[in-house]
Amino acid sequence: KQEVTQIPAALSVPEGENLVLNCSFTDSAIYNLQWFRQDPGKGLTSLLLIQSSQREQTSGRLNASLDKSSGRSTLYIAASQPGDSATYLCAVNRGQNFVFGPGTRLSVLP
Amino acid sequence: EAGVAQSPRYKIIEKRQSVAFWCNPISGHATLYWYQQILGQGPKLLIQFQNNGVVDDSQLPKDRFSAERLKGVDSTLKIQPAKLEDSAVYLCASKGGADYGYTFGSGTRLTVV
Repeated sequence: KQEVTQIPAALSVPEGENLVLNCSFTDSAIYNLQWFRQDPGKGLTSLLLIQSSQREQTSGRLNASLDKSSGRSTLYIAASQPGDSATYLCAVNRGQNFVFGPGTRLSVLP
Repeated sequence: EAGVAQSPRYKIIEKRQSVAFWCNPISGHATLYWYQQILGQGPKLLIQFQNNGVVDDSQLPKDRFSAERLKGVDSTLKIQPAKLEDSAVYLCASKGGADYGYTFGSGTRLTVV
């Protein structure tokens, strides 16, 4: 059974810092991994999708890496801004559907 | 392209009442999912449809929850009767294929009092 964990559970940083969010999964047989952002009371917005054959994906200030053999993915956010404050979730695609981690709640202080 | 549409955005009901949620996926997406997200947790899969057939409903509490996807497009999720622990955000998502990612709707926040 695929289990997904995320560390830290919550993070508070001053504006301008670079930061790393971590996602770990127990079964390395995955199709792809997706990072999402969720604002309070809202749905999920897709940030990055990494296929199992890829090692990283970049979009603007975001960079996500994938190491299937160790069961880990990281989301790197450069030069954080208060608008980045949200919960970040990773989801691992086993083929049929995704299994989600519990999320990391990020607060970027002005 | 238009996103995944969900309604209503919010719903407050008393326990033991019934409620229904509606989802319209992205055009052409064969796979549709309903997830339940309790506050502070990641989304949990309730049911997955491929066209109008059910692929996975192993975590759907079938004594009170039901879902259908008529004609392989729109879907409805129903709870009858509701319990206090059903208070959550109900998320609908669709996917174009195995190698693609999810697209989520904005969710329905249900409060059972």
